Amino acid sequence: GDSVTQMEGPVTLSEEAFLTINCTYTATGYPSLFWYVQYPGEGLQLLLKATKADDKGSNKGFEATYRKETTSFHLEKGSVQVSDSAVYFCALSGGNDMRFGAGTRLTVKP
Amino acid sequence: GAVVSQHPSWVICKSGTSVKIECRSLDFQATTMFWYRQFPKQSLMLMATSNEGSKATYEQGVEKDKFLINHASLTLSTLTVTSAHPEDSSFYICSASIVQSNYGYTFGSGTRLTVV
Repeated sequence: GDSVTQMEGPVTLSEEAFLTINCTYTATGYPSLFWYVQYPGEGLQLLLKATKADDKGSNKGFEATYRKETTSFHLEKGSVQVSDSAVYFCALSGGNDMRFGAGTRLTVKP
Repeated sequence: GAVVSQHPSWVICKSGTSVKIECRSLDFQATTMFWYRQFPKQSLMLMATSNEGSKATYEQGVEKDKFLINHASLTLSTLTVTSAHPEDSSFYICSASIVQSNYGYTFGSGTRLTVV
């Protein structure tokens, strides 16, 4: 079945460092891909998404490109801030449900 | 690791009936649970946040009388869809916040509800 494999955390970075969180997927068909962020005590928030190959999702300085050839959707940000500290989830939806990665906790230190 | 068991994984019900979905934390205590709804290929929509022993906090636009949430213990939260209609057909998924963990959150496997 469909699945998502996400880079294990936790990840600790200094402010202004470059961030990459890897995400690869296995799916039949052409799923939509998502990155969600969850701040302490809050529900998931959609960070960005891509619905077809080569689409690039972007939001708040974060980017991810839907790479069908490598079945990947890596999350990147050029310069992280302390306020980016959260748990990040990669997910896919093939149509009937949503599959999540295990989540990656990011801590950004000043 | 922390596991959340959600069931049923799928259910078909008739219009006008009620359906209960359970979300159970198997090996940890969950003070907070989140309920989401997802339409095909769309992103999740947070429906409500439930805290053990208190009333759930519903997101704007979610009918609390239709989607009853109960979080009676640290290991169980339930979502009851009352008087279901075909437009309630969707994928529902719960997420639990772990009381003491560096990780923090884990998801159930989801429930596909079809109302006929």
